[in-house]
Amino acid sequence: DVKVTQSSRYLVKRTGEKVFLECVQDMDHENMFWYRQDPGLGLRLIYFSYDVKMKEKGDIPEGYSVSREKKERFSLILESASTNQTSMYLCASKSATRSYEQYFGPGTRLTVT
Amino acid sequence: QQPVQSPQAVILREGEDAVINCSSSKALYSVHWYRQKHGEAPVFLMILLKGGEQKGHEKISASFNEKKQQSSLYLTASQLSYSGTYFCGTLALSGNTPLVFGKGTRLSVIA
Repeated sequence: DVKVTQSSRYLVKRTGEKVFLECVQDMDHENMFWYRQDPGLGLRLIYFSYDVKMKEKGDIPEGYSVSREKKERFSLILESASTNQTSMYLCASKSATRSYEQYFGPGTRLTVT
Repeated sequence: QQPVQSPQAVILREGEDAVINCSSSKALYSVHWYRQKHGEAPVFLMILLKGGEQKGHEKISASFNEKKQQSSLYLTASQLSYSGTYFCGTLALSGNTPLVFGKGTRLSVIA
């Protein structure tokens, strides 16, 4: 089974802190994605990566950065957390060639106080 | 840019049918449907490719009208297990852009 894991299910940080959200997939997928999910707004794409060392901005990249040094790991970084970044963060991965299906991780609920 | 889903929410009794719609302003290559149960990750249901295909998954099926850039998800004889939020995701025909998800439709099936 494809497995996408995220480092924490729940995280509480203070305003101004640097926050790292880690995502690891075990299916050798080329493509990886970070979304945030807010009530009534659906799944909004923050950043994505088509392969190692590659990154592309999604629809709402402001205040975030990403890192993909290894194929299986995609990190989302909040350089200076703010209260409006309180949200559920979902990571997903997908094969570039074998399937259209995206596999999602369980999510990290981040609260910034 | 997000596809528009309707309705936003629907409540059904077991055994009733429902239709969830998804429309885009862009020419589409494909439409993808996902379901997210409460507290869980979204899970892929099906994909519809350009060409007006209709697909099925258990008692859930979908259609894609590429001329109108619309897709509909049909849930027949709904079961309690169908409760959750349904998202459509669209891939545009032009450009190498990733999937864009709609805001979701919350479906509640009650006994």
